[in-house]
Amino acid sequence: QQPVQSPQAVILREGEDAVINCSSSKALYSVHWYRQKHGEAPVFLMILLKGGEQKGHEKISASFNEKKQQSSLYLTASQLSYSGTYFCGTGSNDYKLSFGAGTTVTVRA
Amino acid sequence: DAMVIQNPRYQVTQFGKPVTLSCSQTLNHNVMYWYQQKSSQAPKLLFHYYDKDFNNEADTPDNFQSRRPNTSFCFLDIRSPGLGDAAMYLCATSRDLGGGNNEQFFGPGTRLTVL
Repeated sequence: QQPVQSPQAVILREGEDAVINCSSSKALYSVHWYRQKHGEAPVFLMILLKGGEQKGHEKISASFNEKKQQSSLYLTASQLSYSGTYFCGTGSNDYKLSFGAGTTVTVRA
Repeated sequence: DAMVIQNPRYQVTQFGKPVTLSCSQTLNHNVMYWYQQKSSQAPKLLFHYYDKDFNNEADTPDNFQSRRPNTSFCFLDIRSPGLGDAAMYLCATSRDLGGGNNEQFFGPGTRLTVL
């Protein structure tokens, strides 16, 4: 079942912060975050595993609350290069990832 | 650099004319996936190979077939493309399966247009 991402889109100025949420109705083993720029392949950002861990990639960090079956991606002090569509992919007790519909982030100078 | 390569990047075909998309990887990963991504939508898994074992998603149309002749290559065959099959097709690989905790590496995609 597809996870739900919110918001659908966000517009930021350089230096501003944003949070993208991903929630699932299924028990989760992991959450993957990808960023896709227009016309390009999704690029892996990070995986979060069970245990409520947090991770970071540059000034992008994420948390995973397995009890709530939710993950949040934090964009801190956004840069122009952060523009793109962010997908969460959730892993359950089978082999595959289910991707959310994506959140389009536009960072303006 | 180790990577996932897809050819061609852009493919135009006619309604009903078979088309084959190609994917190769230098990562020596066990798993290869094919996703269909339509505009502004999430990637949708069509099928995957774990080594030579083929796994089809339940809702993948019979029109879509796949071949994996060796570890490095995987092909997506669309036997009779319809207008609704126009999309970006993404190939991805992962080292292994299990629990969804294996990072997937994506190729640049092939954008298919059906006339």
